[in-house]
Order: sequence, then C-alpha cells, then structure tokens
Amino acid sequence: GENVEQHPSTLSVQEGDSAVIKCTYSDSASNYFPWYKQELGKGPQLIIDIRSNVGEKKDQRIAVTLNKTAKHFSLHITETQPEDSAVYFCAANLNAGGTSYGKLTFGQGTILTVHP
Amino acid sequence: DTAVSQTPKYLVTQMGNDKSIKCEQNLGHDTMYWYKQDSKKFLKIMFSYNNKELIINETVPNRFSPKSPDKAHLNLHINSLELGDSAVYFCASSQDRSHYGYTFGSGTRLTVV
Repeated sequence: GENVEQHPSTLSVQEGDSAVIKCTYSDSASNYFPWYKQELGKGPQLIIDIRSNVGEKKDQRIAVTLNKTAKHFSLHITETQPEDSAVYFCAANLNAGGTSYGKLTFGQGTILTVHP
Repeated sequence: DTAVSQTPKYLVTQMGNDKSIKCEQNLGHDTMYWYKQDSKKFLKIMFSYNNKELIINETVPNRFSPKSPDKAHLNLHINSLELGDSAVYFCASSQDRSHYGYTFGSGTRLTVV
C-alpha cells in the first residue's frame, strides 16, 4: 500500500520567515497530492493540491512543488504569519492499476508554530 | 450552513458500551469517508462509501460498522467500546471516488473511560 513520510514533525519559525515541509511517497502510480491545514479543534482543511502532470503550483503565499522522479513533494509558505500556526498534513492518493479508489494516505503531520 | 456536519462533537462513554456517530454532507458529493485520528495526530482511513456502496474497508475491528442510508449520510456504530478506541473520528466527503479534494467535518472526540 501507499506510504507517505512527512518531515519535520515540528517546525518553529519567526513571523515573516519562510517554512518548508517535505513529503515522500512510495506508490509511483499516485497522481494527486493535497496539503491540509488543521487548526486546533477543527477538521483538516484543504489548502492546496497538485496533480502529477504539474511540477509546481502557487496560491498567494503558499506553493507546492512535486518531483515525480524522486517521489517527493513539498509545501512552501512564504512571509509566515502567526495565523499560519497549525498542523499541516500532506497526502497522496492510492491509484493502483489505473483504478481510482478515492483513498488518501496522509503523512504524520507537521506542527508549525509562527512566533510573532 | 455547515458542509460536513458530525454529531456529537464530544462523546464520553464507558468501556463495553455501544455508541454511534452521525455524519451528513450537503455538498451533493457521492463519496464519504471515516478517518480516525489518534493521539499523535495520525490520520488513518477506516471506511469509504460511494453512493451508498462500501468501497473501502480497511483493517478495522468488526466492532466498527458503518452505514450509509443515502449518499448524504454516513454513520459509524461502535460496539463494545475499548479504551484504545479513544480518538477523534472525522467524517469527510469528496465529489466522487476519483476526486480527492476532501471536505472534512469538525470531528467527534471519543473518550472511552
């Protein structure tokens, strides 16, 4: 099955700095890679996603890059703000044999703390 | 109007009891999921239904039984609760089984004492 590894487990930055979270995946058939942000007491919320036919995607201060050959993808947050503090999860879909199972496997999560 | 709503938000119960968690989505999505988040925040899929049909059934004790009366609702019934069942349970939905942009509910924190 799919395995997704996420690093670091905790990340502490000063307001205004950049933050980078990295993930690797094992299933070369995976073709969809979303990132979720989970604030305290809430469910994860989709913040950005990328499909395997694209190498980079940007949305204001957040961007995601994908290296299919190396099977890793990263989340980049620029000009971090205290409200960016949350747990961030990467994920990858299981797409075995061309059949979509609608299943996401999540990384272990990164606790991001942005200090004012 | 909450897109994916779960009830209850908190559930405290004794070992051995049976309990249910309910989930409803008003997004018109075809596919719904149950995920379990443990104390280390790890999210693991339990079940998925596509238009009332069970399509994913991970290695979950058979004390857990999902039910989907229609594509907008997915409930989770747990029999003979154990201490290790304590976790946050999240319901989610997606447009269909090929579109993975999940919308999550706010979770049900289950505590078994």
